[in-house]
Order: sequence, then structure tokens, then C-alpha cells
Amino acid sequence: DIQMTQSPSSLSASVGDRVTITCRASQDISNSLAWYQQKPGKAPNLLIYGASNLQSGVPSRFSGSASGTDFTLTISSLHPEDFATYYCLQAHSFPLTFGGGTKVEIK
Amino acid sequence: EVQLLESGGDLVQPGGSLRLSCAGSGFIFSSSDMGWVRQAPGKGLEWVSAVSAGGGAKYYADSVKGRFAISRDNSKNTLYLQIHGLRADDTAVYYCAKTSRDSYGYMQYWGQGTLVTVSS
Repeated sequence: DIQMTQSPSSLSASVGDRVTITCRASQDISNSLAWYQQKPGKAPNLLIYGASNLQSGVPSRFSGSASGTDFTLTISSLHPEDFATYYCLQAHSFPLTFGGGTKVEIK
Repeated sequence: EVQLLESGGDLVQPGGSLRLSCAGSGFIFSSSDMGWVRQAPGKGLEWVSAVSAGGGAKYYADSVKGRFAISRDNSKNTLYLQIHGLRADDTAVYYCAKTSRDSYGYMQYWGQGTLVTVSS
């Protein structure tokens, strides 16, 4: 199975900060990666698919990039509604696997 | 508007069985690949299972293979997850999701979740 190592597990940031979250795949996943945002008590929300494609309706301050087996989610300027937990998911091969999550908290 | 409504979650004893349902509306259910994801209390997301639009292709996480069975009834616009041999570590909120045509991993729409609690 493909392992997804996500870092950091948590971070504290202020409104307006630039935030980056990283996922590393244990093997090549050919950019088949998604990023999800989850707020407490709510279902996850798809932000990015195919490593760098913005899902319809998602603000442009969110972006995704890839370099080999390393994937990055960037929030260019943190908004109050962005405080949440973020997960990556490899969609290359079954079983699909999530990263451990990154909780973005208010500094 | 796409809507997914899960039901069937309950308090069940270890070793018991349960069937979760997910009713879809607002989209062509019979043309949509679907999946299940779960989240144990205070933990991260875990992909559980997926099924193709026609029901012919089914996929499972290693942790549930042999105990869980995904199915669908396209005439009823409903997705199912049959669970047998429930264990304490199956306690979680179970979400159903509609996946994109490009990949089972790109889950565009989600239900609100249904809670399964396994305890004696």
C-alpha cells in the first residue's frame, strides 16, 4: 500500500499568513493527489485534485503543487474561515490512502 | 442540488452486523462512481470502499476487506455498506461520497455522515 506522510501535524498561524502543508508519497503516484479541508463536525470538502487543479468554487488563495513524490498545499493569505484540518489523499492506486492531517490553528 | 443522505448508523455490540445506506439525489446516480470514508472519534480520515457506477467494480481498504461489502441499487438511487463482524475500532462516522469521473479519490460531494458505535 502507498503511505502518505503529511507534515506538519499542526501549525499556528495568523490571518494573512502564507501557509504550506506537505505530503510525501512512499512511491510514485503520478500526481494523482487530492487535498481536502475539514471543519469540526462537518464532512470534508475537496479543494484540489490532480495535485494542482482547483476544484470549482474553491477560492484562488488555495493552490497545489508537486515535485516528484512531494506535494504541497499552499494558502497564500490565511482567512479566518481557513482554520480547519487539511488532508491529502493519494488516488493513484487502491487502497486509497489519506495523510494524517494538518490542523491549522489560530496563533 | 446534489444531496447525499446517510442512514443506518447505530450502537452495535462487538461481532454484530449493520447496513448503512446513502440516498442520492440531484444527480444521475446510475452514472456516478461512489465511495465510503470513515472517521473515528478525534482521528483522521480513512478511505473505506468504492464502487463503480454500474456496481461491477468494487474496492476495499485492507482493514475492512472480507468484513465489509459495498453495493448499490441504481433503481433506488441508493448506496449501501454492509458491515459484518463489527469491532471496537470500526467505531466512526461513516461518510458516503460521490466521486468524479476522473478518479475515485476525487470526492466532490459528501453526505453528513452516520455514526456507528461498537460497544458492549
